[in-house]
Amino acid sequence: GDSVTQMEGPVTLSEEAFLTINCTYTATGYPSLFWYVQYPGEGLQLLLKATKADDKGSNKGFEATYRKETTSFHLEKGSVQVSDSAVYFCALYFGNEKLTFGTGTRLTIIP
Amino acid sequence: GAVVSQHPSWVICKSGTSVKIECRSLDFQATTMFWYRQFPKQSLMLMATSNEGSKATYEQGVEKDKFLINHASLTLSTLTVTSAHPEDSSFYICSAVLAGGNGELFFGEGSRLTVL
Repeated sequence: GDSVTQMEGPVTLSEEAFLTINCTYTATGYPSLFWYVQYPGEGLQLLLKATKADDKGSNKGFEATYRKETTSFHLEKGSVQVSDSAVYFCALYFGNEKLTFGTGTRLTIIP
Repeated sequence: GAVVSQHPSWVICKSGTSVKIECRSLDFQATTMFWYRQFPKQSLMLMATSNEGSKATYEQGVEKDKFLINHASLTLSTLTVTSAHPEDSSFYICSAVLAGGNGELFFGEGSRLTVL
């Protein structure tokens, strides 16, 4: 079945460090790929998405590129801030309104 | 943006009691809501799809008599964990689809259930 494998956390970085959170997937066909973020005390929010191979999703300084050849959708940010501390979920979607999630990666940024 | 609210955000109960968790779409109508469950260090797992005015559709392996889902209106779905046991302790999250929208999901903040 479809699955998403995410980098295990927790991840702790200093402010202004470079961030990568790895995400790979297994699926039959070509799903859309998403990154969701959950800030403390809030619901999951869509951070960015990509719907086809080689698409790059970007938002709030975060980027992820849909790599069909490596079945990956790694999340990156060049300079993280304390306000980026949250849990990040990678997910795939086939348009049936059902998302398949990764385990989530807790990110903590220290000043 | 659209807001989905869950209540309670955390609950502690004794084994054998039933617990109800509410999921409300505050500023939009949702014909479909989803309930997820997350165990520590594991993925969010879809439990069931809740459609307004009809019976919920449960994923394989989810006990429908254990996890009662009611979607009585376009803004409210409830999940009742009946006769809860410690193994039901988990993080439960709902999401809602905006009726007439592009299929984007909006998530609640989650409810943490601890059964003693």
